[in-house]
Amino acid sequence: AQSVAQPEDQVNVAEGNPLTVKCTYSVSGNPYLFWYVQYPNRGLQFLLKYITGDNLVKGSYGFEAEFNKSQTSFHLKKPSALVSDSALYFCAVRVLGGTYKYIFGTGTRLKVLA
Amino acid sequence: NAGVTQTPKFQVLKTGQSMTLQCAQDMNHEYMSWYRQDPGMGLRLIHYSVGAGITDQGEVPNGYNVSRSTTEDFPLRLLSAAPSQTSVYFCASSLGTGNNEQFFGPGTRLTVL
Repeated sequence: AQSVAQPEDQVNVAEGNPLTVKCTYSVSGNPYLFWYVQYPNRGLQFLLKYITGDNLVKGSYGFEAEFNKSQTSFHLKKPSALVSDSALYFCAVRVLGGTYKYIFGTGTRLKVLA
Repeated sequence: NAGVTQTPKFQVLKTGQSMTLQCAQDMNHEYMSWYRQDPGMGLRLIHYSVGAGITDQGEVPNGYNVSRSTTEDFPLRLLSAAPSQTSVYFCASSLGTGNNEQFFGPGTRLTVL
């Protein structure tokens, strides 16, 4: 079965420290991978995506993600966390092969401590 | 552009009642979808559409109907509400069905008593 896993329900990091939010996937073929962020009582907002090419993808608000095909991972990173980065983060994969479906992970709550 | 809009923002229903959640987008996006968000379960796809007149089921379609008569609108109908349908519902749209990111509405918080 095709799936996306976010193994950590919550990640705590001190302001100014680097952060990593983990995502692994299990899909057939080459996936399209996405990260979204959700602030309280809001809809999801797009951060970045990997389609093809360079394994390091840069996105909004200083976030980046590294695609690792051998480990089937797409971890979200930021060199220096801000308190305002505190939110719920979702990894998603676009299922290829004509179904046009997206599968979302269960989300990771990031808490940046001042 | 207003982007993706959803109405209502909040709704309380009694078991067995029916209702329609409205979703509209003004970006001329072909792809639209409905998700429900439940604690610890992330977002789960209910139904989606790749264009006017074309809809298909997602992961959790039971108890929900959709139609897509125009590019702009994609309403979600609850036929006979059940407490298990208590959730936050999000509508999303994207340009085409390729590698484009989705734009999400603000959500509808539904409680079924």
